[in-house]
Order: sequence, then structure tokens, then C-alpha cells
Amino acid sequence: AQKITQTQPGMFVQEKEAVTLDCTYDTSDPSYGLFWYKQPSSGEMIFLIYQGSYDQQNATEGRYSLNFQKARKSANLVISASQLGDSAMYFCAMREEGETSGSRLTFGEGTQLTVNP
Amino acid sequence: DVKVTQSSRYLVKRTGEKVFLECVQDMDHENMFWYRQDPGLGLRLIYFSYDVKMKEKGDIPEGYSVSREKKERFSLILESASTNQTSMYLCASSFFQGSNQPQHFGDGTRLSIL
Repeated sequence: AQKITQTQPGMFVQEKEAVTLDCTYDTSDPSYGLFWYKQPSSGEMIFLIYQGSYDQQNATEGRYSLNFQKARKSANLVISASQLGDSAMYFCAMREEGETSGSRLTFGEGTQLTVNP
Repeated sequence: DVKVTQSSRYLVKRTGEKVFLECVQDMDHENMFWYRQDPGLGLRLIYFSYDVKMKEKGDIPEGYSVSREKKERFSLILESASTNQTSMYLCASSFFQGSNQPQHFGDGTRLSIL
């Protein structure tokens, strides 16, 4: 079964508006972590934000925040005040603590975000 | 800043060739990973290593092998390249401990097998 699902292959947003990128996950492990990465067209993967399963508050990093709804198993990324430089592919990923050593991540398929001027 | 360096950004090889992709990290990370990225499939884990000379299969190890002789270096080997191995390959590293530790990625290698 798919462990990480990103249902939006592509999203469009106007500059300066907020946008939400969806991510749902599936795990029976009570301890896990959720990550969001940004991949510009140049190819490098940039870490954006982390949310732990036991964290009481939603994670925030500058213009990025994570809307974590544990009961729904969703971890949506919210980007406020979009900028043209936010145009990129965005990946959601999960680490399950019960995994064997190595702290492997499972990635979703990605969402291509385009910010329009 | 963490630096993960992949030896080539672009590589073109022929079917049947033995191909080496090299990755070096400078942050003394225990864990290292190799992924391939294909449109619509996200990143898929090929192999990973949590210590020198240790390796574990990921989700798609067939047709690949790895080598980790030194802590900072993790090599991906295509024993006999085939056209279906044309893809973007990404190397990553992270600390062994710390559930909130992100993986840090190299810039990727776009490999074409002709």
C-alpha cells in the first residue's frame, strides 16, 4: 500500500497568495516523522520543514507551516505569501521509527507548484 | 553547511557498460542513501548504508550494487547498464541518531543509457 500520497500532480497560485499542498500518509507505527522537501528545476533537494508524530504544535519555518492532523493522517504544507522562486516540485516524506537502522524515508510522488506573477 | 557531492551532473553511457556513480559527504554522517527519481514516481530507494562496509537493500535494488569502503563515500554501481536505468540519481546522507534529522541531498546525476 502507498505509504505517502500526494494527490495534486500540479498546483497553480498567484504571487503573494497562500497555497496548501496536500499529503496523506499511512503507518501503524506510533512514532514517526514527516518531512517536506523542495526541488527546483536545477534538481537539488532542499529540506523545508519537519513534524514529529508526538509534537503538540504544528511546525513552522518562516513562510512554511505544516498543517498536521494526526487523526486524519495528513500533513499538508502551507506556503504563505507565495513568491516566484517558490515554483518547484515539492515532496512529502515519512520516516517510521520502527524501521531498521538507517532512518530511511518514504517519499510521495510530488506536487509541481507554479507561481504566476 | 552539509555538503553532499555527486561526481557528475550529467552522464551518458552505453548499454552493457559498468557505470560508477560516486557520492561524498563532509559532515561525518553515518547514513548514506541512493535514490532514483522518475516522473510521477517520486524518489525510490535503491540502497542505503548505516556504517562502513554495511549495506541494505531498498525498494528497487535489482540491477544495482553499492560500495562503502570509507565513511564519507558511497558508490552506486550499475553492473551492466540497461536503457531502463536512464534516470535521475540522487545521493543523500544523515546522522544515524535523531528522528528529526533530515537527509541532505546532492545535486543529482542525470544518467542516460543509450
